[in-house]
Amino acid sequence: QQQVKQSPQSLIVQKGGISIINCAYENTAFDYFPWYQQFPGKGPALLIAIRPDVSEKKEGRFTISFNKSAKQFSLHIMDSQPGDSATYFCAASGWTGNQFYFGTGTSLTVIP
Amino acid sequence: DADVTQTPRNRITKTGKRIMLECSQTKGHDRMYWYRQDPGLGLRLIYYSFDVKDINKGEISDGYSVSRQAQAKFSLSLESAIPNQTALYFCATSRGGGNEQFFGPGTRLTVL
Repeated sequence: QQQVKQSPQSLIVQKGGISIINCAYENTAFDYFPWYQQFPGKGPALLIAIRPDVSEKKEGRFTISFNKSAKQFSLHIMDSQPGDSATYFCAASGWTGNQFYFGTGTSLTVIP
Repeated sequence: DADVTQTPRNRITKTGKRIMLECSQTKGHDRMYWYRQDPGLGLRLIYYSFDVKDINKGEISDGYSVSRQAQAKFSLSLESAIPNQTALYFCATSRGGGNEQFFGPGTRLTVL
């Protein structure tokens, strides 16, 4: 059973547009929600993360929106650039950080 | 130099062969993880280790074994490889008490 459900599977956005990727979870014990970015031939790298005590976190053009009651969180990429073209994974873990559960990934393509 | 290294980077083998994938890290982290990545399935945890004497099964440990030879080394073995173990394998590390995971560059394994 997929612990973290991610959509869409792929996304094409025009340069300058907003990219939005959504994730949902069921386990209320999760308390850490990161987003990882992966370029072809590379391992995933942490992009931004949030804990459930806040509803939004912003770092530059990247924002996580978190809805605790709905058990959903999303990544927003403002002013999307071709260099943002990559695969994005959401994930969730409990406070001990024992196990991370990753979403299935979203392949983002930003066209010039 | 890379903080998390994996060898080999690519491997083609035949059904029934024993395969070992190796991971080394210079980050000084005590926690290490093995994941496999499959298209459409995201990253799934195979095994994780919080220190040299601590080994834990992840979501999909069947058909795999691991060895934590030292704090800096964590190996993944496929005792008798089968074609559905064809995947991209990633090693990751994290600091005890921290949540961010640092991934290696991956090993692409093909089982014929």
